[in-house]
Amino acid sequence: EAGVVQSPRYKIIEKKQPVAFWCNPISGHNTLYWYLQNLGQGPELLIRYENEEAVDDSQLPKDRFSAERLKGVDSTLKIQPAELGDSAVYLCASSLRRGGRSETQYFGPGTRLLVL
Amino acid sequence: GDSVTQMEGPVTLSEEAFLTINCTYTATGYPSLFWYVQYPGEGLQLLLKATKADDKGSNKGFEATYRKETTSFHLEKGSVQVSDSAVYFCALVDSNYQLIWGAGTKLIIKP
Repeated sequence: EAGVVQSPRYKIIEKKQPVAFWCNPISGHNTLYWYLQNLGQGPELLIRYENEEAVDDSQLPKDRFSAERLKGVDSTLKIQPAELGDSAVYLCASSLRRGGRSETQYFGPGTRLLVL
Repeated sequence: GDSVTQMEGPVTLSEEAFLTINCTYTATGYPSLFWYVQYPGEGLQLLLKATKADDKGSNKGFEATYRKETTSFHLEKGSVQVSDSAVYFCALVDSNYQLIWGAGTKLIIKP
């Protein structure tokens, strides 16, 4: 079974430029998460989708970050414009939520972003 | 709110030593508990999990037991290898289905 796929793996951009990350979750997983991870720290949730609905985006900086999951499968996270402080690893995860219980989250390899 | 506390690193051990990484939690109810591992330059991999009290999760020689009475989920391995060098994260799922993470413990195994 294929895992969570993310692309690109690495991205270097200049500040004020836009950037987009793509994630394809594990087949059949209805819940998708985007996290930000700074060096030496644990992941921080940016947004969680249940199918195509964003059910928790309280930590997403909406002035510059946006995300979509139009058909309830793959997802795109965008930053526009990027700032120096956005340099981090962006992780995507997916899980299968059944009834009232959310199952284990499985992570992709991440996209390492460097803003110059 | 819910929280996870794990021992600070780095933890440095010699190959074949016994490993314990402590993890304690504060939560309402009885959340599922996880250990994730992150190798250098890679994403997070699920190492093991436990969903209820007294459950023991195990994988790749690592074990952790869900202890309700001490609110702990300590990670152990009897004989570590150089390839076990990584950052280990303890986590729980809260009532809003969010993963609450510990700060991570860097493990360094010397040959």
